[in-house]
Amino acid sequence: DAGVIQSPRHEVTEMGQEVTLRCKPISGHNSLFWYRQTMMRGLELLIYFNNNVPIDDSGMPEDRFSAKMPNASFSTLKIQPSEPRDSAVYFCASSPYGGQRQPQHFGDGTRLSIL
Amino acid sequence: AQSVAQPEDQVNVAEGNPLTVKCTYSVSGNPYLFWYVQYPNRGLQFLLKYITGDNLVKGSYGFEAEFNKSQTSFHLKKPSALVSDSALYFCAVRDHNTDKLIFGTGTRLQVFP
Repeated sequence: DAGVIQSPRHEVTEMGQEVTLRCKPISGHNSLFWYRQTMMRGLELLIYFNNNVPIDDSGMPEDRFSAKMPNASFSTLKIQPSEPRDSAVYFCASSPYGGQRQPQHFGDGTRLSIL
Repeated sequence: AQSVAQPEDQVNVAEGNPLTVKCTYSVSGNPYLFWYVQYPNRGLQFLLKYITGDNLVKGSYGFEAEFNKSQTSFHLKKPSALVSDSALYFCAVRDHNTDKLIFGTGTRLQVFP
């Protein structure tokens, strides 16, 4: 079975540019999570969706960050304008809805570098 | 508030020796606990979970974890470490009110030949 698919795997861009990260969750999973990982802050939850609806975006650092889930098989995380401090690895994860007993399944991440 | 603590930033062990990676938790109610492993340039991979039942949980790659309610711990163990077990390990607890996972800060396991 295909796992969570993220694209691109690597992104290098200059500050001020718009960045869009993409995620395809595992088919049948109804919950989707976006995380950010840095050495300084560790793993941070940015936002999560249940059935394509944003449930908690309290981890989104600023208005420059936005996330959408237009359908059950696709989500985007957008940063506009990007800044060097946004450099991090961004992970997407999915799990069955209401699956408190089920693990989240992670993609391999997008390594983002803002110059 | 629910939380997880991993008191060791790094654990070093010789290949063939038993390993333990520590985790303690703080939750209201019954805990749902998870262990994940992260290899370089990869996402987190699920190893095992405790929901209810037997306190000793067996997972992937020969790992197991022991749930101890009185000590509020969920330590990860393996009887004989491999060099390939070297990675970053995360303990997590499920927030009962949401679908969120509360992660620890991670423990880097280094297994020496």
